[in-house]
Amino acid sequence: QVQLVQSGAEVKKPGASVKVSCKASGYSFTGYYIHWVRQAPGQGLEWMGWIIPNSGVTNHAQKFQAWVTMTRDTSISTAYMELSSLRPDDTAVYYCARGREGSGLEAFDIWGQGTLVTVSS
Amino acid sequence: EIVLTQSPATLSLSPGERATLSCGASQIIGSSHLAWYQEKPGLAPRLVIYDATRRATGIPDRFSGSGSGTDFTLTISRLEPEDFAVYYCQQYGKYGLTFGGGTKVEIK
Repeated sequence: QVQLVQSGAEVKKPGASVKVSCKASGYSFTGYYIHWVRQAPGQGLEWMGWIIPNSGVTNHAQKFQAWVTMTRDTSISTAYMELSSLRPDDTAVYYCARGREGSGLEAFDIWGQGTLVTVSS
Repeated sequence: EIVLTQSPATLSLSPGERATLSCGASQIIGSSHLAWYQEKPGLAPRLVIYDATRRATGIPDRFSGSGSGTDFTLTISRLEPEDFAVYYCQQYGKYGLTFGGGTKVEIK
C-alpha cells in the first residue's frame, strides 16, 4: 500500500545535527512532492518546506531557510531532512507527508509515522 | 503569510451530536485551497477535507466542508466515538502553507 516510513527517534545535544529519512513505497516517488512538518510537544503543526523528488528542487518556509536541508535519493525512494545547530526548542515530532497534487501548494494525503527528535544536554 | 485562526479551541459534545468547527483566514485564500486534518494522540494527522469541500479517500460522508474566501467550516453531522480528536485547518494558497492552531473535539 501507499506509505511513508520514517527513521527512528533521535536524541541529540544542542548544537548537533540530525538527519531524518522518509522512505516511500506503493507509488511513484518522483511523481509527488514531499513536505516536512513539525509538531512541538503539545503544540500545533508547522510546515517546514518541500522537495521535488524528481529534480531535487526545494522550497523552505522562511523560518527554516538557514538551517534545514532537504535532499532525496531517488534510487531508494527516500527523502531526507537535516536540521543543523539544534536547540532545545527544536524538540518535536517531525513528519514527512506527500503532497496530493504535485504542485507544492496542496494538501497532504499520506503522512509518515513521525520521528521524535529530542534535543537535550 | 496567511494566519489561520480556529474556533473554538475546545468543543465538548456527546456522541450523536453535530460538531461545527470554524477556521478564519487573515487574507482571502484563493481557489479555496483549504484542508482539514484529524489528529489522534500518537498518530500522524489524517487528511479529511481538501479544496474546502472535497472529502479525502475513505472519509465518511458525515464529514463535510464549506466556505470560501476567509471563512471556512468543518461539520461532523453526527459524532461517532472515533471522531473525538484534534482538527487542524491548513491553507495552501500562493503565500505558502500554514496551519491553524487546532480545535479539540472532546467527549462531554
